[in-house]
Amino acid sequence: AQKVTQAQTEISVVEKEDVTLDCVYETRDTTYYLFWYKQPPSGELVFLIRRNSFDEQNEISGRYSWNFQKSTSSFNFTITASQVVDSAVYFCALSLRGGSQGNLIFGKGTKLSVKP
Amino acid sequence: DVKVTQSSRYLVKRTGEKVFLECVQDMDHENMFWYRQDPGLGLRLIYFSYDVKMKEKGDIPEGYSVSREKKERFSLILESASTNQTSMYLCASTQLGAGELFFGEGSRLTVL
Repeated sequence: AQKVTQAQTEISVVEKEDVTLDCVYETRDTTYYLFWYKQPPSGELVFLIRRNSFDEQNEISGRYSWNFQKSTSSFNFTITASQVVDSAVYFCALSLRGGSQGNLIFGKGTKLSVKP
Repeated sequence: DVKVTQSSRYLVKRTGEKVFLECVQDMDHENMFWYRQDPGLGLRLIYFSYDVKMKEKGDIPEGYSVSREKKERFSLILESASTNQTSMYLCASTQLGAGELFFGEGSRLTVL
Protein backbone atom coordinates (compact mmCIF):
# COMPACT_ATOMS: atom_id res chain seq x y z
CA ALA A 1 0.00 0.00 0.00
CA GLN A 2 1.09 3.54 -0.70
CA LYS A 3 1.04 5.90 2.22
CA VAL A 4 2.53 9.19 3.40
CA THR A 5 2.73 10.04 7.08
CA GLN A 6 3.36 13.49 8.47
CA ALA A 7 3.32 12.88 12.20
CA GLN A 8 3.54 16.55 13.17
CA THR A 9 0.11 18.11 12.92
CA GLU A 10 1.15 21.58 14.04
CA ILE A 11 4.47 23.23 14.82
CA SER A 12 5.01 26.67 16.27
CA VAL A 13 8.38 28.40 16.26
CA VAL A 14 9.74 31.86 16.80
CA GLU A 15 11.23 33.73 13.88
CA LYS A 16 14.84 32.82 13.07
CA GLU A 17 14.56 29.36 14.58
CA ASP A 18 15.31 26.35 12.40
CA VAL A 19 12.49 23.87 11.96
CA THR A 20 12.29 20.39 10.43
CA LEU A 21 9.10 18.91 9.03
CA ASP A 22 9.05 15.13 8.98
CA CYS A 23 7.73 12.91 6.20
CA VAL A 24 7.71 9.12 6.14
CA TYR A 25 6.44 7.22 3.13
CA GLU A 26 5.49 3.66 2.25
CA THR A 27 5.60 2.09 -1.18
CA ARG A 28 6.58 -1.19 -2.78
CA ASP A 29 7.52 0.50 -6.02
CA THR A 30 11.19 0.88 -6.78
CA THR A 31 10.54 3.91 -8.95
CA TYR A 32 8.65 6.75 -7.35
CA TYR A 33 8.72 10.49 -6.79
CA LEU A 34 8.44 12.49 -3.60
CA PHE A 35 7.19 16.04 -3.36
CA TRP A 36 6.77 18.90 -0.95
CA TYR A 37 4.06 21.52 -1.40
CA LYS A 38 3.36 24.68 0.57
CA GLN A 39 -0.17 25.96 1.13
CA PRO A 40 -0.20 29.54 2.42
CA PRO A 41 -3.34 31.06 3.92
CA SER A 42 -4.46 32.13 0.43
CA GLY A 43 -5.14 28.45 -0.30
CA GLU A 44 -3.20 27.69 -3.48
CA LEU A 45 -0.72 24.84 -3.16
CA VAL A 46 2.74 25.80 -4.33
CA PHE A 47 5.24 23.24 -5.54
CA LEU A 48 8.55 23.25 -3.66
CA ILE A 49 10.51 20.21 -4.75
CA ARG A 50 10.36 16.86 -6.54
CA ARG A 51 12.82 14.06 -5.87
CA ASN A 52 12.98 10.71 -7.67
CA SER A 53 13.75 7.48 -5.89
CA PHE A 54 17.15 7.07 -7.51
CA ASP A 55 18.54 10.37 -6.32
CA GLU A 56 19.32 10.44 -2.63
CA GLN A 57 21.39 13.57 -2.72
CA ASN A 58 20.26 16.22 -0.30
CA GLU A 59 19.08 19.45 -1.83
CA ILE A 60 19.40 23.01 -0.65
CA SER A 61 17.52 25.98 -2.02
CA GLY A 62 18.15 29.14 -0.07
CA ARG A 63 16.80 28.63 3.43
CA TYR A 64 15.13 25.35 2.44
CA SER A 65 16.80 21.96 2.48
CA TRP A 66 15.59 18.42 2.02
CA ASN A 67 17.01 15.18 3.40
CA PHE A 68 15.98 12.05 1.49
CA GLN A 69 16.90 8.72 3.12
CA LYS A 70 15.63 5.54 1.48
CA SER A 71 16.93 3.44 4.38
CA THR A 72 14.36 5.04 6.68
CA SER A 73 11.80 5.91 3.96
CA SER A 74 11.94 9.52 4.97
CA PHE A 75 11.98 12.81 3.09
CA ASN A 76 12.35 15.55 5.67
CA PHE A 77 12.20 19.28 5.03
CA THR A 78 14.17 21.85 7.01
CA ILE A 79 13.67 25.60 7.02
CA THR A 80 16.66 27.49 8.33
CA ALA A 81 16.19 30.86 10.04
CA SER A 82 12.42 30.71 9.68
CA GLN A 83 10.42 33.80 8.79
CA VAL A 84 6.81 34.80 9.36
CA VAL A 85 6.15 34.32 5.62
CA ASP A 86 6.97 30.64 6.05
CA SER A 87 3.74 30.20 8.01
CA ALA A 88 1.68 27.74 5.99
CA VAL A 89 0.53 24.17 5.78
CA TYR A 90 3.17 21.94 4.24
CA PHE A 91 2.31 18.72 2.46
CA CYS A 92 4.55 15.83 1.58
CA ALA A 93 3.37 13.65 -1.30
CA LEU A 94 4.24 10.43 -3.10
CA SER A 95 3.54 9.68 -6.74
CA LEU A 96 1.99 6.50 -8.04
CA ARG A 97 3.29 4.75 -11.13
CA GLY A 98 6.60 6.53 -10.85
CA GLY A 99 5.03 9.86 -11.59
CA SER A 100 3.87 8.92 -15.08
CA GLN A 101 0.25 9.82 -14.43
CA GLY A 102 0.89 12.56 -11.95
CA ASN A 103 -1.66 11.55 -9.35
CA LEU A 104 -0.20 11.98 -5.91
CA ILE A 105 -0.86 10.58 -2.47
CA PHE A 106 -0.63 13.35 0.09
CA GLY A 107 0.16 13.31 3.76
CA LYS A 108 -2.25 15.09 6.05
CA GLY A 109 -0.04 18.13 6.24
CA THR A 110 1.88 19.99 8.93
CA LYS A 111 0.74 23.46 9.90
CA LEU A 112 3.72 25.67 10.61
CA SER A 113 3.26 28.91 12.52
CA VAL A 114 6.22 31.25 12.70
CA LYS A 115 5.76 33.98 15.28
CA PRO A 116 7.66 37.29 15.19
CA ASP B 1 2.87 32.40 -16.20
CA VAL B 2 1.18 29.03 -15.82
CA LYS B 3 -2.35 29.08 -14.55
CA VAL B 4 -5.04 26.81 -13.22
CA THR B 5 -8.27 28.71 -12.73
CA GLN B 6 -11.23 27.54 -10.74
CA SER B 7 -14.46 29.31 -11.55
CA SER B 8 -15.72 29.97 -8.03
CA ARG B 9 -13.77 30.61 -4.84
CA TYR B 10 -16.81 30.32 -2.59
CA LEU B 11 -20.17 28.63 -3.15
CA VAL B 12 -23.14 28.02 -0.91
CA LYS B 13 -25.67 25.45 -2.07
CA ARG B 14 -28.63 23.63 -0.61
CA THR B 15 -28.95 19.90 -0.07
CA GLY B 16 -30.11 18.19 -3.24
CA GLU B 17 -28.92 20.88 -5.61
CA LYS B 18 -26.76 20.03 -8.59
CA VAL B 19 -23.36 21.69 -8.35
CA PHE B 20 -20.81 22.32 -11.07
CA LEU B 21 -17.21 23.20 -10.26
CA GLU B 22 -15.22 24.33 -13.26
CA CYS B 23 -11.47 24.23 -13.77
CA VAL B 24 -9.47 25.57 -16.69
CA GLN B 25 -5.72 25.30 -17.31
CA ASP B 26 -3.71 27.19 -19.88
CA MET B 27 -0.63 24.95 -19.97
CA ASP B 28 -1.83 22.35 -22.49
CA HIS B 29 -1.47 19.65 -19.83
CA GLU B 30 -2.79 16.18 -20.53
CA ASN B 31 -3.64 15.25 -16.96
CA MET B 32 -6.13 16.99 -14.70
CA PHE B 33 -7.28 16.17 -11.19
CA TRP B 34 -9.90 16.98 -8.62
CA TYR B 35 -9.02 16.70 -4.94
CA ARG B 36 -10.95 17.57 -1.85
CA GLN B 37 -9.25 18.89 1.24
CA ASP B 38 -10.65 18.46 4.73
CA PRO B 39 -9.09 19.32 8.09
CA GLY B 40 -7.17 16.39 9.49
CA LEU B 41 -7.60 14.35 6.32
CA GLY B 42 -5.29 16.17 3.93
CA LEU B 43 -5.97 15.98 0.21
CA ARG B 44 -7.91 13.09 -1.23
CA LEU B 45 -8.24 12.33 -4.92
CA ILE B 46 -11.79 12.29 -6.28
CA TYR B 47 -11.25 11.80 -10.03
CA PHE B 48 -8.60 12.38 -12.60
CA SER B 49 -8.44 12.55 -16.36
CA TYR B 50 -5.48 11.78 -18.61
CA ASP B 51 -7.11 12.75 -21.88
CA VAL B 52 -10.20 14.35 -23.33
CA LYS B 53 -13.30 12.29 -22.55
CA MET B 54 -11.22 9.92 -20.39
CA LYS B 55 -11.59 9.68 -16.63
CA GLU B 56 -10.54 7.46 -13.77
CA LYS B 57 -11.85 7.18 -10.26
CA GLY B 58 -9.67 8.29 -7.42
CA ASP B 59 -9.97 7.32 -3.79
CA ILE B 60 -13.36 8.91 -3.03
CA PRO B 61 -15.47 9.13 -6.22
CA GLU B 62 -18.83 8.37 -4.61
CA GLY B 63 -21.31 11.19 -5.05
CA TYR B 64 -19.25 12.87 -7.77
CA SER B 65 -18.90 12.74 -11.52
CA VAL B 66 -16.60 14.58 -13.92
CA SER B 67 -16.58 15.83 -17.45
CA ARG B 68 -13.68 16.57 -19.79
CA GLU B 69 -14.95 17.66 -23.18
CA LYS B 70 -11.95 19.85 -23.95
CA LYS B 71 -8.32 19.41 -23.01
CA GLU B 72 -8.13 22.60 -20.99
CA ARG B 73 -11.34 22.15 -18.99
CA PHE B 74 -12.19 19.63 -16.28
CA SER B 75 -15.49 19.87 -14.45
CA LEU B 76 -16.54 18.29 -11.19
CA ILE B 77 -20.24 17.60 -10.78
CA LEU B 78 -22.19 16.92 -7.62
CA GLU B 79 -25.46 15.47 -8.91
CA SER B 80 -27.27 15.96 -5.60
CA ALA B 81 -25.24 17.86 -3.06
CA SER B 82 -25.18 16.65 0.52
CA THR B 83 -23.90 18.28 3.69
CA ASN B 84 -20.96 15.87 3.90
CA GLN B 85 -19.70 17.31 0.64
CA THR B 86 -18.99 20.62 2.33
CA SER B 87 -15.28 20.97 1.69
CA MET B 88 -12.47 22.71 -0.15
CA TYR B 89 -12.13 21.43 -3.70
CA LEU B 90 -8.80 21.72 -5.48
CA CYS B 91 -8.18 21.28 -9.17
CA ALA B 92 -4.72 20.47 -10.50
CA SER B 93 -3.03 19.67 -13.77
CA THR B 94 0.26 18.21 -14.92
CA GLN B 95 2.19 17.45 -18.04
CA LEU B 96 2.24 13.73 -18.72
CA GLY B 97 5.34 12.19 -17.14
CA ALA B 98 6.38 15.30 -15.25
CA GLY B 99 4.74 14.55 -11.95
CA GLU B 100 4.63 18.09 -10.62
CA LEU B 101 1.07 19.26 -10.09
CA PHE B 102 -0.07 22.83 -10.62
CA PHE B 103 -3.01 23.76 -8.43
CA GLY B 104 -5.82 26.24 -8.63
CA GLU B 105 -6.76 28.44 -5.69
CA GLY B 106 -9.52 26.13 -4.59
CA SER B 107 -13.30 26.31 -4.36
CA ARG B 108 -14.80 26.30 -0.91
CA LEU B 109 -18.23 24.69 -1.08
CA THR B 110 -20.75 24.85 1.73
CA VAL B 111 -23.85 22.67 1.47
CA LEU B 112 -26.66 23.68 3.79
